[in-house]
Amino acid sequence: EADIYQTPRYLVIGTGKKITLECSQTMGHDKMYWYQQDPGMELHLIHYSYGVNSTEKGDLSSESTVSRIRTEHFPLTLESARPSHTSQYLCASSDLGSNYRFTQYFGPGTRLTVL
Amino acid sequence: AQKVTQAQTEISVVEKEDVTLDCVYETRDTTYYLFWYKQPPSGELVFLIRRNSFDEQNEISGRYSWNFQKSTSSFNFTITASQVVDSAVYFCARGGGSNYKLTFGKGTLLTVNP
Repeated sequence: EADIYQTPRYLVIGTGKKITLECSQTMGHDKMYWYQQDPGMELHLIHYSYGVNSTEKGDLSSESTVSRIRTEHFPLTLESARPSHTSQYLCASSDLGSNYRFTQYFGPGTRLTVL
Repeated sequence: AQKVTQAQTEISVVEKEDVTLDCVYETRDTTYYLFWYKQPPSGELVFLIRRNSFDEQNEISGRYSWNFQKSTSSFNFTITASQVVDSAVYFCARGGGSNYKLTFGKGTLLTVNP
């Protein structure tokens, strides 16, 4: 099972601020993902990466950006936060492994509130 | 898009009742994978089970059991003798093909009342 860490767990910030949500995993997984989820609602994939220097936009359009300079680190940045960005952000990672044992493991999430 | 449907939006039971959460999926892939995740009120997504399309054997883990039927494209999840701690949103998901992305259902909110 993967160890995935997200910081901060909770963030309340004013409109217009630049924020970075951190996500790190210690399992050496190639693949990492960011999901956005409103409370109790469905998950929306907003970014993913299949390796260093590889990033793609997900199924839901997002104003955030991501980078993947190191295998273990996949931060998400909002240049200018707005109230519409208020949500929970979940990071995940996966590795194909042997016998196609592909599984995504999730971090604890960051609950972002933009005032 | 290959959808995952969880028709039950909310289920409410009394403790010790058995409850089944339904999941129906669409797929065009020969090999695919099915998952269940639990999301308690704290918000994290906890992996419960993964099932490969080529393994239709049902599985039991304590009070949890899963029924995979390719003929009906279903992967249902049963909790036996439910407990208050089982209260959570449960998500079914599907992966497969040449990408490594998951398609999630919209989730089922299970409330177990004492």
